[in-house]
Amino acid sequence: SAVISQKPSRDICQRGTSLTIQCQVDSQVTMMFWYRQQPGQSLTLIATANQGSEATYESGFVIDKFPISRPNLTFSTLTVSNMSPEDSSIYLCSVTGRNNEQFFGPGTRLTVL
Amino acid sequence: KQEVTQIPAALSVPEGENLVLNCSFTDSAIYNLQWFRQDPGKGLTSLLLIQSSQREQTSGRLNASLDKSSGRSTLYIAASQPGDSATYLCAPGSRGSASKIIFGSGTRLSIRP
Repeated sequence: SAVISQKPSRDICQRGTSLTIQCQVDSQVTMMFWYRQQPGQSLTLIATANQGSEATYESGFVIDKFPISRPNLTFSTLTVSNMSPEDSSIYLCSVTGRNNEQFFGPGTRLTVL
Repeated sequence: KQEVTQIPAALSVPEGENLVLNCSFTDSAIYNLQWFRQDPGKGLTSLLLIQSSQREQTSGRLNASLDKSSGRSTLYIAASQPGDSATYLCAPGSRGSASKIIFGSGTRLSIRP
């Protein structure tokens, strides 16, 4: 299984600011994903982070709000831009390993005041 | 569009009981199905992965079954322990290179000592 780390683990931010979340994997992986988990809810896929090209966003999520970088096969960032209290969530990255099994990072807990 | 339903939404049982968590999904054209565990405020831990060609998978006290044609999966937990208390999430994976998984809303399990 892949070992995934995320930074920061948590943050409290002011309305209107932006936060960049980092995801680092201990091995090269093809597929990386970003998810959001709003309070009391299940996980919703934000986008697939593609190495060498733009991310693929799911319905309801746009690049201007959630820009994603994927400079290599072990690292990705998700930025939450112009934050509002509604963006308060846990943000998780995941990767696909052998047999298409998915593994998740520990998550970043974001609170927007 | 895949929709995933998990029943019950919450369950509280005394320690030692055997229990079954249910998952149903609307699109049976899946690649695989994963069961995850999530502790409060934490990331996800992969419990079991069932490929679409398989009927069940076992790991310790956990057994997951898959009936793809009827769009159902069950997670069986034998001899439950207080440490099993967590939210359990079912996530069928789509076919194709994207390897996207869609989450159910989860079953919140509490095992009373």
